[in-house]
Amino acid sequence: NAGVTQTPKFQVLKTGQSMTLQCAQDMNHNSMYWYRQDPGMGLRLIYYSASEGTTDKGEVPNGYNVSRLNKREFSLRLESAAPSQTSVYFCASRSGRADYEQYFGPGTRLTVT
Amino acid sequence: EDKVVQSPLSLVVHEGDTVTLNCSYEVTNFRSLLWYKQEKKAPTFLFMLTSSGIEKKSGRLSSILDKKELFSILNITATQTGDSAVYLCAVSSTRGSTLGRLYFGRGTQLTVWP
Repeated sequence: NAGVTQTPKFQVLKTGQSMTLQCAQDMNHNSMYWYRQDPGMGLRLIYYSASEGTTDKGEVPNGYNVSRLNKREFSLRLESAAPSQTSVYFCASRSGRADYEQYFGPGTRLTVT
Repeated sequence: EDKVVQSPLSLVVHEGDTVTLNCSYEVTNFRSLLWYKQEKKAPTFLFMLTSSGIEKKSGRLSSILDKKELFSILNITATQTGDSAVYLCAVSSTRGSTLGRLYFGRGTQLTVWP
C-alpha cells in the first residue's frame, strides 16, 4: 500500500517548456488535490477533483491545467513554465466521506530557470 | 474571503520547554480544523477537531478548538529536537462545491535546540 505517489521528485525546466506532474493514489479515495508550497506561504490550492470526472479551480490556478484520468490518477500540467512557478508541488487525496483528513504525496521540487 | 492565520510564524525553544501554537480562522460554514506536522517533506496529519472545547491528545501533543472565538491552539509539552518542524493549521468548509477543500495557514516554524 503505497498511499499517494508523485513523479518526478525533482525537475528543472527552462522558461517556456511544458511538463506534466503525475500523481496516483491506491487508497480508493474519491477526492484529489494539487497544492504548491512556497517558502513561508503554507500550502495553496491549485486545482482539485472532488470525484472522478470533475475538476475545480483553487486559489492559484493560472498557468496550470489538470486531468483526472481515472479514480486513481490526477495529473497537473504546466503548458509554458515561468520562473514564478518554481515551487514544491504536493498532491493529496481524501476518501470523500465525512472525514476531512487529506493524505499527501512526497512532493515534486520544480525549478524554472 | 476565507482565511486562516497562524502565530507565531517562527519559534525557537530549548528541549524540555512547553510551546503553544495558535490558529485563528474566518471560514464560511466551518466544518473542521486540522493540524499537520511537516518535516522537510509531506505534511503528516496530527489532529482533526470538530467540536468546541473538547481536547484531543496524542502523547505530548494536545489541541483544543474554540468555535465561538474562532481559534485553536496546539500545545507541545516537554519538547524534543524531533519536534522541530513546520506546524500547519487547516480549516475545512461545508460550503457548496468547496466541500472537503482545506484552507491552510502559513504555518509555524518550530525549532527545538538541544
